[in-house]
Amino acid sequence: AQTVTQSQPEMSVQEAETVTLSCTYDTSENNYYLFWYKQPPSRQMILVIRQEAYKQQNATENRFSVNFQKAAKSFSLKISDSQLGDTAMYFCAFIPLSSGSARQLTFGSGTQLTVLP
Amino acid sequence: SQTIHQWPATLVQPVGSPLSLECTVEGTSNPNLYWYRQAAGRGLQLLFYSVGIGQISSEVPQNLSASRPQDRQFILSSKKLLLSDSGFYLCAWTGTGSEKLFFGSGTQLSVL
Repeated sequence: AQTVTQSQPEMSVQEAETVTLSCTYDTSENNYYLFWYKQPPSRQMILVIRQEAYKQQNATENRFSVNFQKAAKSFSLKISDSQLGDTAMYFCAFIPLSSGSARQLTFGSGTQLTVLP
Repeated sequence: SQTIHQWPATLVQPVGSPLSLECTVEGTSNPNLYWYRQAAGRGLQLLFYSVGIGQISSEVPQNLSASRPQDRQFILSSKKLLLSDSGFYLCAWTGTGSEKLFFGSGTQLSVL
């Protein structure tokens, strides 16, 4: 069974600053995907960024980037130039490629990020 | 393009009443469909998933059931709601062989 742990229930950052959200996971799988999802106050789940485990290069999407450390089973999200609209709950998620056609994601418990003006 | 519709957005039901939440996907065929529940201030718990019509897998024993009467329709039901069924319910889908999960807008269920 896979587990995803987000040890920071809440974080805050000043507008325009950089913040890093932590995520660790436990799995015996070798091939998998990792994701960060964002859930703003509207509660709509939005995919922020995706990382394939077989890729050594860290994924980047505009102001969002990850630090993927496969050996350490760590997958942190860095948000640069934080904006007020980044205020949301952020979820780390994992999916093993061996799950066949079902593609079941396992989610962490979330980190509530507040961007302060 | 693919879209996912989930309704109603909010629902208030008395204990012991039945429940039916509906989710439909447009613009794709044979999607994998999922029901998640999110308790207040917590993460997402997978309740049911389906890889095809009539095929339902349950992750958590509970008071709820799911059905997939059509390829792109997924229904979450209960015959008698409990207080503990309150929460935010999210429908989601992925394409066959895809790892990206797309979510509906959710249903906030309050059981009183």
